[in-house]
Amino acid sequence: QQQVKQSPQSLIVQKGGISIINCAYENTAFDYFPWYQQFPGKGPALLIAIRPDVSEKKEGRFTISFNKSAKQFSLHIMDSQPGDSATYFCAASYDDYKLSFGAGTTVTVRA
Amino acid sequence: NAGVTQTPKFQVLKTGQSMTLQCAQDMNHEYMSWYRQDPGMGLRLIHYSVGAGITDQGEVPNGYNVSRSTTEDFPLRLLSAAPSQTSVYFCASSYSEIAVEQYFGPGTRLTVT
Repeated sequence: QQQVKQSPQSLIVQKGGISIINCAYENTAFDYFPWYQQFPGKGPALLIAIRPDVSEKKEGRFTISFNKSAKQFSLHIMDSQPGDSATYFCAASYDDYKLSFGAGTTVTVRA
Repeated sequence: NAGVTQTPKFQVLKTGQSMTLQCAQDMNHEYMSWYRQDPGMGLRLIHYSVGAGITDQGEVPNGYNVSRSTTEDFPLRLLSAAPSQTSVYFCASSYSEIAVEQYFGPGTRLTVT
């Protein structure tokens, strides 16, 4: 049973559009919420991360929104580009080095 | 720096065979982990190590063994391969102070027939 539930499973967005991926968790012991980006044939790579004392974090075109009371967090990709086409995983950590991953969202950006 | 390296890239095993997936990192990271990635399941933690000589079980450890004799290497052993172990395996490492930022290797695609 996955501790982090991620949706949607896949999405298609036009170039310049906004991609939104949502995640929810139950374990209140989680204290760090990273997002990983994975291209085909490659290992995941850290994209952006947030701690629960912050409601939003922005790095370039990528923004994490965090709602502690609802136990939900989301990734927004603004001005989506074809190079953003990848699989995105949300995750949550406890004990620092143990990550629980969501099932992943495959994002396709059409030119 | 080569980062995290994994060998082999691909492997086919017959049920009951054993093998070792190799993982090495040259970043002097204390923490190393093994994950398996299956469609619709994300990545699941198999085993992890917080330093040489110290290992522990993750979420799905059954059928796998690990050891950590050096900081650099963290091999994963399949004792008696089963079709359920068909998966893509990723090794990851991280600094002890910023352990949540894990650096992943390129993966090993394993098929058990």
